[in-house]
Amino acid sequence: LAKTTQPISMDSYEGQEVNITCSHNNIATNDYITWYQQFPSQGPRFIIQGYKTKVTNEVASLFIPADRKSSTLSLPRVSLSDTAVYYCLVGNTGRRALTFGSGTRLQVQP
Amino acid sequence: AAGVIQSPRHLIKEKRETATLKCYPIPRHDTVYWYQQGPGQDPQFLISFYEKMQSDKGSIPDRFSAQQFSDYHSELNMSSLELGDSALYFCASRSRSGGRTTDTQYFGPGTRLTVL
Repeated sequence: LAKTTQPISMDSYEGQEVNITCSHNNIATNDYITWYQQFPSQGPRFIIQGYKTKVTNEVASLFIPADRKSSTLSLPRVSLSDTAVYYCLVGNTGRRALTFGSGTRLQVQP
Repeated sequence: AAGVIQSPRHLIKEKRETATLKCYPIPRHDTVYWYQQGPGQDPQFLISFYEKMQSDKGSIPDRFSAQQFSDYHSELNMSSLELGDSALYFCASRSRSGGRTTDTQYFGPGTRLTVL
């Protein structure tokens, strides 16, 4: 699985848009990019997945440039409840297990 | 919608004791994964089962074993517990969908194991 690099922590205020960038220079052709969110003492929760360009769902948007060596998770108008750790995972997991690297700890303040 | 169920939610054991954690996947999910998350750590994969057969193995100690039963629930058996086994143990399940890459894993609420 491709190695990923993302910021250790980020701070934001309620109502702001938050963008978390993940670098994955060694991404393979058949790899997908997946983001999970984890609240303290809870299991990780799937947020969004993409292969290229832009993907949007009711929770977030995922921007992937043409070279796919990085991706940006965008959370619109964050609230206090978005305070969590966000993990970027890259791979063609199929039925394989997830490999969690060091996620980004997002702290949203009032 | 039904979610992954784990029991117990909390467990306190003494060193050298044994523990059994249970996981009930989402209905019609055929793959189960076990992860361990120590304090301040990221989740680490332990072991997985597909159609009741072990499919992948991660950093699971030899003191641990697991299996998946005919009803697809899984149990993680832990023996000779050590202080370092204190962690959150998550189970995740995945649907039987022909192995599409886009299928996601759904995590349970976890079992917090404390070894004294």
